[in-house]
Amino acid sequence: GENVEQHPSTLSVQEGDSAVIKCTYSDSASNYFPWYKQELGKGPQLIIDIRSNVGEKKDQRIAVTLNKTAKHFSLHITETQPEDSAVYFCAALASGGSYIPTFGRGTSLIVHP
Amino acid sequence: GAVVSQHPSWVICKSGTSVKIECRSLDFQATTMFWYRQFPKQSLMLMATSNEGSKATYEQGVEKDKFLINHASLTLSTLTVTSAHPEDSSFYICSADGVRYGYGYTFGSGTRLTVV
Repeated sequence: GENVEQHPSTLSVQEGDSAVIKCTYSDSASNYFPWYKQELGKGPQLIIDIRSNVGEKKDQRIAVTLNKTAKHFSLHITETQPEDSAVYFCAALASGGSYIPTFGRGTSLIVHP
Repeated sequence: GAVVSQHPSWVICKSGTSVKIECRSLDFQATTMFWYRQFPKQSLMLMATSNEGSKATYEQGVEKDKFLINHASLTLSTLTVTSAHPEDSSFYICSADGVRYGYGYTFGSGTRLTVV
C-alpha cells in the first residue's frame, strides 16, 4: 500500500517568512496529491491540490510542487501570516476509482507575529 | 468549493447510550464517504469506507458492531457509536469523495464526542 512521510512535524517561522513542508510517497500509481489545513477543533480544509500531469501549481501565497521521479511533493507558503498557523496534512492517492487517500502525519505550523 | 455538512459538531452522552453522527454532501453525489477518528495532535485514522447501497468496509481493529455505518443515499452517510464508553471520546470526521467532480476529498467540520 501507499506510505506517505511528512516533514517537519513542527515548523516555527516569523511573520512574513516562507514556510515549506515536504512529503514523500511510495506508490508510483498515486496521481493526486491534496493538501489540507486543519485549525483547532475543525475538520481539514482542502487548500490546494496537484495532479501528476502537472509539476507546479500556485494559488496566491500557496504553491505546491511535484517531482514524480523522486516521488515527493512540497507545500510552499510565502509571506506567512499568523492566521496561517494550523496543522497541515499532505495526502496521496490514485484517483479514478474508490481509492483511499493516505495522509501524512501532519505539520504544525506556527507563525509568530 | 464543495461543502460537506457534519452534525452535530459536538455531543456529550452517557456511557451505554448510542450517538448518531450525520455526514451530508451538499453539492455533489458521493458514492463513497470516509469516516475518520482523530486523537489530539495526531493524524487522521481511517475507520471505515462507506459505500452507497452496500456494506461499509472497516479498517483492521475497528469494531463494526460498535461503529455502525449506513450510507443509504448518495448524499448521506451516518456513523452510530453504539453503547458508548469514555474511551470512545474523540473527534470524528467524515469526508466525501468528490474527485470526479473536481472537488477533491472534502471533509466535514468534525464531531467532538464526549462520553461521561
